[in-house]
Amino acid sequence: KQEVTQIPAALSVPEGENLVLNCSFTDSAIYNLQWFRQDPGKGLTSLLLIQSSQREQTSGRLNASLDKSSGRSTLYIAASQPGDSATYLCAVSETSGSRLTFGEGTQLTVNP
Amino acid sequence: DTAVSQTPKYLVTQMGNDKSIKCEQNLGHDTMYWYKQDSKKFLKIMFSYNNKELIINETVPNRFSPKSPDKAHLNLHINSLELGDSAVYFCASSRDRGEAFFGQGTRLTVV
Repeated sequence: KQEVTQIPAALSVPEGENLVLNCSFTDSAIYNLQWFRQDPGKGLTSLLLIQSSQREQTSGRLNASLDKSSGRSTLYIAASQPGDSATYLCAVSETSGSRLTFGEGTQLTVNP
Repeated sequence: DTAVSQTPKYLVTQMGNDKSIKCEQNLGHDTMYWYKQDSKKFLKIMFSYNNKELIINETVPNRFSPKSPDKAHLNLHINSLELGDSAVYFCASSRDRGEAFFGQGTRLTVV
């Protein structure tokens, strides 16, 4: 059974810092990995999707890497801003079926 | 245009009632899902439909019954609501294991 773990559970940083969020998964037989952002009381916004054959994806100040063999992904946020404050969720899609298995998220606070 | 839309956004109801949540996607995706986010914010799959056929049914009480009238719609009907059903329910869609897009969620409160 796939399990996804995100570390740290919460992170508070001053504006302008570069930061890394970590995600690990127990079963390396994944189809893809997706990073989401969730603002309080809101839905999930897809940030980046990495296919299992890819090593990284970039979108603006965000860069996500994937090391499938070791079961790890990182989300790098450059020059953090207060507007980046949200919960960041990592989810993996299995090869055998259509579902996303989520981690518990990292709650990020960027202080002005 | 909203890609995945759910109604209602908030639902407050008494124990024992029956309620439905509707979901529609205009992305042309062939797979739709229902996820439940509990009080600890943990998201877990409930159901998955592909081309109107049920392909995933996690250990969800049979009081929960999904219905997909067509590829663009996946509704969730809940019978005999219980206090423990209080949660946020998210609908999502994807093109078969591709990038998933989520609705804004329905916050269900059972009193």
